This record gives sequence, structure tokens and C-alpha cells, in this order.
Amino acid sequence: EPEVTQTPSHQVTQMGQEVILRCVPISNHLYFYWYRQILGQKVEFLVSFYNNEISEKSEIFDDQFSVERPDGSNFTLKIRSTKLEDSAMYFCASSENAHNEQFFGPGTRLTVL
Amino acid sequence: TQLLEQSPQFLSIQEGENLTVYCNSSSVFSSLQWYRQEPGEGPVLLVTVVTGGEVKKLKRLTFQFGDARKDSSLHITAAQTGDTGLYLCAEAVYRDDKIIFGKGTRLHILP
Repeated sequence: EPEVTQTPSHQVTQMGQEVILRCVPISNHLYFYWYRQILGQKVEFLVSFYNNEISEKSEIFDDQFSVERPDGSNFTLKIRSTKLEDSAMYFCASSENAHNEQFFGPGTRLTVL
Repeated sequence: TQLLEQSPQFLSIQEGENLTVYCNSSSVFSSLQWYRQEPGEGPVLLVTVVTGGEVKKLKRLTFQFGDARKDSSLHITAAQTGDTGLYLCAEAVYRDDKIIFGKGTRLHILP
């Protein structure tokens, strides 16, 4: 069964460093999303992406964040200068069409020291 | 912004017992979803309910959507250890194509 994959599973970085989190969405899906979950908190929407453009973003998704689909398979989230409060699980999701079921990846645990 | 409150936060019961967890909203849901999340994994969709009063069954799980579409319940009959996990209710916000999650109920079924 096709699934969303994410790498790495765990990333540790120093405050101020750039990180890139990678996702491979399900192959025939057209809509891509990033969510994050701070430890003990709820899963929060960050951004949605379609047709090589951001469709919607939350107030969390500030100028430090960017997303890209560099080739036909990967979907990346970049945090330019990480802060302590960026430590969280980051989930990628994809869906076949807008408003269809979103399938979530296993997440990347980001730890900022 | 939609606020989703889930209760209880934690629930630990013996295998074989029945349980109900709840989700309440500050406003009317456009559509409500229930997810299950296991450690080290992302949320997995269990069900979507749209119509007030709607009841859906998934094996031993029964999902009910309130008539006013502001609350929902998940009832598990004869809980099994495999039901252990984090149960999240969420609103699929069609206008913005995003999902708003509650904090979840962490369920632990004891053998």
C-alpha cells in the first residue's frame, strides 16, 4: 500500500542552523501539507502546497520557513535559522485532491539545542 | 478559530470494558474527523462525519455526530489492547483545505 515517507526520522541541530526536512508524498497525489506537533500539544497546520505554490499557510509559517518541491517526488520543509521553540514532530501529508483524505507520514522529530 | 476540546485527556481501562470519549467545539463543524495516532507514526483517519445526528460504525468503534454538529463521541465496545493509542478529533476546514486537530484522548487498554 502506498504511503508517505519522511527523512530523517530524527534530526538534532544547533540553534541558528538551517534544517531541511524531506518528504516523499504518495505518487499520484497533488496536494501536500506540513503539520507540526510540539511535545504534549496538538497537531498544528503549517502550510499547504499545490501546483508549485503555497495555497494556505498558518501564522506559525513565518519567513523562517519555506517549502519546495525540487523534483517530481520530494517535498521539503526548510527552516532557515532554527530556534529552540522549533523543536517538535513535523508531519508531512498528501492528498489526491483538495479536501480529500490527507495521508500522513511518520514524522521527523526535530530537536533544536 | 475553531477550538476543539477533547475529554478525557487520559483514559486507562481494562480489556473488555466499554468506553466513550468526547469532542466538543466552540462552533459548528463543517465536517468532523476522528484519527488515531500511535507512537512514532502520523495520524491515521478513522472516519469523517458530516451530517448532524450521523452515526458511523467501524467494527467495535461507533462514532456519533451531535444533532447541532458541535460535538461528537467515539464509543469503543469491548476494548482490546490493540486499541491503545491517541485518538484525535479534527475539523476538515474545506474553505482552507487544512485540518484543525484537538489535543486528543490518550487511551491505554490494560491486559
